[in-house]
Amino acid sequence: DGGITQSPKYLFRKEGQNVTLSCEQNLNHDAMYWYRQDPGQGLRLIYYSQIVNDFQKGDIAEGYSVSREKKESFPLTVTSAQKNPTAFYLCASSIGGRALNQPQHFGDGTRLSIL
Amino acid sequence: AQKVTQAQTEISVVEKEDVTLDCVYETRDTTYYLFWYKQPPSGELVFLIRRNSFDEQNEISGRYSWNFQKSTSSFNFTITASQVVDSAVYFCALSEAGNSGGYQKVTFGTGTKLQVIP
Repeated sequence: DGGITQSPKYLFRKEGQNVTLSCEQNLNHDAMYWYRQDPGQGLRLIYYSQIVNDFQKGDIAEGYSVSREKKESFPLTVTSAQKNPTAFYLCASSIGGRALNQPQHFGDGTRLSIL
Repeated sequence: AQKVTQAQTEISVVEKEDVTLDCVYETRDTTYYLFWYKQPPSGELVFLIRRNSFDEQNEISGRYSWNFQKSTSSFNFTITASQVVDSAVYFCALSEAGNSGGYQKVTFGTGTKLQVIP
């Protein structure tokens, strides 16, 4: 079945450590997104990519980095500069382009905690 | 100011009651889309419905119905005869043309947590 796979489901980070969250899709979608979800704050956009080898900062990009070397993959690195990384991270994809009517498809999420 | 406001943080209803989830949005664009998503405890957001800015016809799908009113910038979601399986967080979202090349920009509300008590 087509979909989005996020791994791992749970991740623990030590102080000063960088960690990478994986996101893979087999929907042949051009656009991919990373969101952070905190209680009471909904989904906040971290980074997005409309096409391979291109990505843009979202609303809360500080302390995060991404790459988009392949269409199917959009990994997110939470760097040591992100002082409050504990959150639920969701990856999404959509067909992309300038069509406004495309829904996003989401993965199951990764829950990141500080050790 | 928030672009998408879901004023109800949490709602609890008893099974079989009807419940309406409110969504108010803000945009200067004339062309836009509105979405509702459901997030069950498993975490994955599931797309429920979309509405374009030119179509104010209400929609019904089984126990779900949606009321879109441009005059009040609202896109409310009603569940009739609620069931325990409806317990989830529901998100309203606005899709507009972004500033960067006109690509789709989606803004989510903060979500409403619905608990249906058996």
